[in-house]
Amino acid sequence: AQSVAQPEDQVNVAEGNPLTVKCTYSVSGNPYLFWYVQYPNRGLQFLLKYITGDNLVKGSYGFEAEFNKSQTSFHLKKPSALVSDSALYFCAVRDYGAGSYQLTFGKGTKLSVIP
Amino acid sequence: NAGVTQTPKFQVLKTGQSMTLQCAQDMNHEYMSWYRQDPGMGLRLIHYSVGAGITDQGEVPNGYNVSRSTTEDFPLRLLSAAPSQTSVYFCASRETGENSPLHFGNGTRLTVT
Repeated sequence: AQSVAQPEDQVNVAEGNPLTVKCTYSVSGNPYLFWYVQYPNRGLQFLLKYITGDNLVKGSYGFEAEFNKSQTSFHLKKPSALVSDSALYFCAVRDYGAGSYQLTFGKGTKLSVIP
Repeated sequence: NAGVTQTPKFQVLKTGQSMTLQCAQDMNHEYMSWYRQDPGMGLRLIHYSVGAGITDQGEVPNGYNVSRSTTEDFPLRLLSAAPSQTSVYFCASRETGENSPLHFGNGTRLTVT
């Protein structure tokens, strides 16, 4: 079975400071990992993904994420937060090694960037 | 491109009523899916389809039906609405290929009274 955990319901960060949104996962095979962002009254938008290769993945809007196999983590990061980054962030995993079609989402982390 | 289009945006139903949530995509994606989003629970998969004529159940399929007669359309039917189905529903599609990202519609907010 595949699962993903986002341990923080909310993260507050001052504008200009670095931000981290945490994600850990559990799979029986090898993971495909994704980050999505949701702005109010909108659907989710794809930010970045890890499939294989370099553990540091760069995505949209200056975001990046680091895959850590030993810690089964895929934390989302940005060097300098903007007020416009305030949104709901979802981590998701697919266990491709187990032949799963389904993407399992975390419960989401609300990011608030304070001016 | 319009991407993934969902209608209606909002709907209020009485318990026991039926309705269909519409979803259409213009990207020629084979894979389509329906999720529901509830506070504190993230997104949960209701049904999905890997191509026209093929559908399968997700994590929370009870009370919902789907069909896929064309590549473009993937309607979600509520047979007899219950208050527990009050939620925000998202349709999503992706290209063939397990590492392709999902493209989401803007959602339908459903309230069942």
